[in-house]
Amino acid sequence: DAKTTQPPSMDCAEGRAANLPCNHSTISGNEYVYWYRQIHSQGPQYIIHGLKNNETNEMASLIITEDRKSSTLILPHATLRDTAVYYCIVRVFYNNNDMRFGAGTRLTVKP
Amino acid sequence: DTAVSQTPKYLVTQMGNDKSIKCEQNLGHDTMYWYKQDSKKFLKIMFSYNNKELIINETVPNRFSPKSPDKAHLNLHINSLELGDSAVYFCASSLGPEETQYFGPGTRLLVL
Repeated sequence: DAKTTQPPSMDCAEGRAANLPCNHSTISGNEYVYWYRQIHSQGPQYIIHGLKNNETNEMASLIITEDRKSSTLILPHATLRDTAVYYCIVRVFYNNNDMRFGAGTRLTVKP
Repeated sequence: DTAVSQTPKYLVTQMGNDKSIKCEQNLGHDTMYWYKQDSKKFLKIMFSYNNKELIINETVPNRFSPKSPDKAHLNLHINSLELGDSAVYFCASSLGPEETQYFGPGTRLLVL
């Protein structure tokens, strides 16, 4: 699986959009981009995933660049409960159960 | 109605002991996993089971053994516990091997 690079920490004001970047310059054509988050003392929570098209669900939006070498997770209206460590992962969708979590980005939403 | 549950939540034990961690999912998923999160917060996959068959096995010591009595349960047995086994262990499940994984709350193991 391709390696990902994320900033170690970010701050965001409550009610504002939080934009979390991820670089995955070695991503291959059959690898998906996944985002998970981990709130303190809880298990990782699935947020969203995509291959090349932008994706949106009830939690977030995922914007993937045209060359697929980077992506951005957008939380449109961050709340204090969104404070967590956010993990960007790339993995092959088929025939591979491995999901290697890196260090992630610690997002702090401030009042 | 917890989706993926683990017991116990906390486990403190002495070196050399044998312990088990239980995991249950009520999502009807076919695949279950065990992960270890170390002090640096890196999550590393240890095992996964699909339809009661082991499909991956990372290079973990053979003191660790997963046991699945049915597809809703994947228990983790650890023999001869060592100090380095102290970590948070997460169970997860997915509909199939290629599907999104959903995690349990974690078991915090401390070996003294």
